[in-house]
Amino acid sequence: GAVVSQHPSWVICKSGTSVKIECRSLDFQATTMFWYRQFPKKSLMLMATSNEGSKATYEQGVEKDKFLINHASLTLSTLTVTSAHPEDSSFYICSARDPGSHSYEQYFGPGTRLTVT
Amino acid sequence: AQSVTQLDSQVPVFEEAPVELRCNYSSSVSVYLFWYVQYPNQGLQLLLKYLSGSTLVESINGFEAEFNKSQTSFHLRKPSVHISDTAEYFCAVSDFSGSNYKLTFGKGTLLTVNP
Repeated sequence: GAVVSQHPSWVICKSGTSVKIECRSLDFQATTMFWYRQFPKKSLMLMATSNEGSKATYEQGVEKDKFLINHASLTLSTLTVTSAHPEDSSFYICSARDPGSHSYEQYFGPGTRLTVT
Repeated sequence: AQSVTQLDSQVPVFEEAPVELRCNYSSSVSVYLFWYVQYPNQGLQLLLKYLSGSTLVESINGFEAEFNKSQTSFHLRKPSVHISDTAEYFCAVSDFSGSNYKLTFGKGTLLTVNP
């Protein structure tokens, strides 16, 4: 089956610094990737949709200048949390669609736990 | 706009008991329906999905869900649960609008299986 990886799996950073999270599709080319944020005991909130070669589409209320998304290749999308603050601490999960599959499902990465101190 | 309602935030059951996790959705268009499972500190794994055809779909580990269009429901069931089924379960819907097939998730149901 389709596999999506994320790196790092967890990261601790100081307030004011930037953190980059990578999302890779390992065995398929993903023209579309999605970035979610999950708060403790809460559902997944879609942050943005990332399309290869074009600008990401952000959901309402998500600061595009704070959460920079780059989808530079068909297998890699990155999320950079700029000038991180403690309230940015969360579990970030990416997913990818396999355009060659007709199942319309999204394949999820294992998530990245971000803690801002 | 579409939405997903998972009526129970927590469902505690004893091992080998049956369980039903409820999911209702609202959408003005045809949809695809999914159940995902999340174990602690992990990403989501697809449990089962309804795209078309038979309204009863099954997973390899004994779960099943039935799409009921008239009741706009997609409840998840298992006749006999195991301790290892303890996890968070998310119902999700994806409609045909646009080309990206965005998923809308319910708030999740924590299934806790006790010995």
